[in-house]
Amino acid sequence: ETGVTQSPTHLIKTRGQQVTLRCSSQSGHNTVSWYQQALGQGPQFIFQYYREEENGRGNFPPRFSGLQFPNYSSELNVNALELDDSALYLCASSLLAEYSPNYGYTFGSGTRLTVV
Amino acid sequence: AQTVTQSQPEMSVQEAETVTLSCTYDTSESNYYLFWYKQPPSRQMILVIRQEAYKQQNATENRFSVNFQKAAKSFSLKISDSQLGDTAMYFCAFISAGGTSYGKLTFGQGTILTVHP
Repeated sequence: ETGVTQSPTHLIKTRGQQVTLRCSSQSGHNTVSWYQQALGQGPQFIFQYYREEENGRGNFPPRFSGLQFPNYSSELNVNALELDDSALYLCASSLLAEYSPNYGYTFGSGTRLTVV
Repeated sequence: AQTVTQSQPEMSVQEAETVTLSCTYDTSESNYYLFWYKQPPSRQMILVIRQEAYKQQNATENRFSVNFQKAAKSFSLKISDSQLGDTAMYFCAFISAGGTSYGKLTFGQGTILTVHP
């Protein structure tokens, strides 16, 4: 098992710019989710990809978009960055299957995004 | 919609003692999973323990155990023989068991646990 790795670890962008965050899922996991965690708060669900298709989305605007690739790596793209987008972005992967227990998600260490 | 509430923003405990972190949740679903995650300063969210709602037996993992009260919608975490490495933010989380399209984890606000030597 290689775990979940995210890049970059830290990033500073200017308001209005676009950013791409990357995630490499744990080997064998078919599902990846992205979360936004503001300082001192619990993570908030952005969206989930299952077998390369988005199959769940939280209360985030369309300027938050994503991709999942056949090798189960994933990207989170944010357009027109706003100051409030400053947060820790966490990627989590899991192996999900119908009628099977959910053994939980494996998280990466996150990307700290600062928008100035 | 599901909600998860952790009413203790901060807790502290002496090394080797026992501490209990509280969590309540609200859902209309009958089949779901509950988790406790630990987030140390390294930021990585680490799974501590997992409970399946259809199992009445409380889950245990070494020094960690839960008290799952389904009717009361309560899911507390007990840490026995606390160690300095247990110092972290702890999150309670809920997820529906409704197939592969229900992958959203709903987290509580977190409890900062400090273990003192």
